Amino acid sequence: EIVMTQSPGTLSVSPGERATLSCRASQSVSSDLGWYQQKPGQAPRLLIYGASTRATGIPAKFSGSGFGTDFTLTISSLQPEDVAVYYCQQYDDWPLTFGGGTKVEIK
Amino acid sequence: EEQLLESGGGLVQPGGSLRLSCAASGFTFNNHAMSWVRQAPGMRLEWVAAIDYRGGNIFYADSVKGRFTISRDNSKNTLYLQMNSLRAADTAVYYCVKDSRSIGGHWFDPWGQGALVTVSS
Repeated sequence: EIVMTQSPGTLSVSPGERATLSCRASQSVSSDLGWYQQKPGQAPRLLIYGASTRATGIPAKFSGSGFGTDFTLTISSLQPEDVAVYYCQQYDDWPLTFGGGTKVEIK
Repeated sequence: EEQLLESGGGLVQPGGSLRLSCAASGFTFNNHAMSWVRQAPGMRLEWVAAIDYRGGNIFYADSVKGRFTISRDNSKNTLYLQMNSLRAADTAVYYCVKDSRSIGGHWFDPWGQGALVTVSS
């Protein structure tokens, strides 16, 4: 099983500043990596697939990068509505696995 | 608008059974693989089971293999999860999710609102 590790566990960022979230796979997943946003009390929402392609309707403030084992989700100019837990997911191999999440807070 | 609506959650005793349903709308259901993903309280998301567009290929997480059965009825645009021999560790919100491809094993969009399953005596 491919283990996905996210860091940090919690990230506090001032409004308007950039948030950088990391996701590491225990073995290469190529670019088979997605990012999801889960706001309190809501279901997750797809942000990024293919490591760097934004899903339909996702604003350009969200960007993804990386390949192989190391990936990054960047949220430029953090706003209060971006407060959420962000999860990465690999779909390179079964079983599909998720990271433990990064909670993004407003400082 | 693509929508997924789960039903069938509730409280069940350890060892009991429950069947979840997921009604899909707004997209061509029989063109997409589907999965169930669960989230226990305070825990990470866990993929549970996947079924391809025709129901010919099915995959399970080891934690539910032999106890859960995923199925679909394309004539009714509905996905199912039959859960038997339930354990306390199965307590979670269960999400129905649409796979981006027909054969499964890709990213998920959209997600249903979730169905809470509580296993407790």
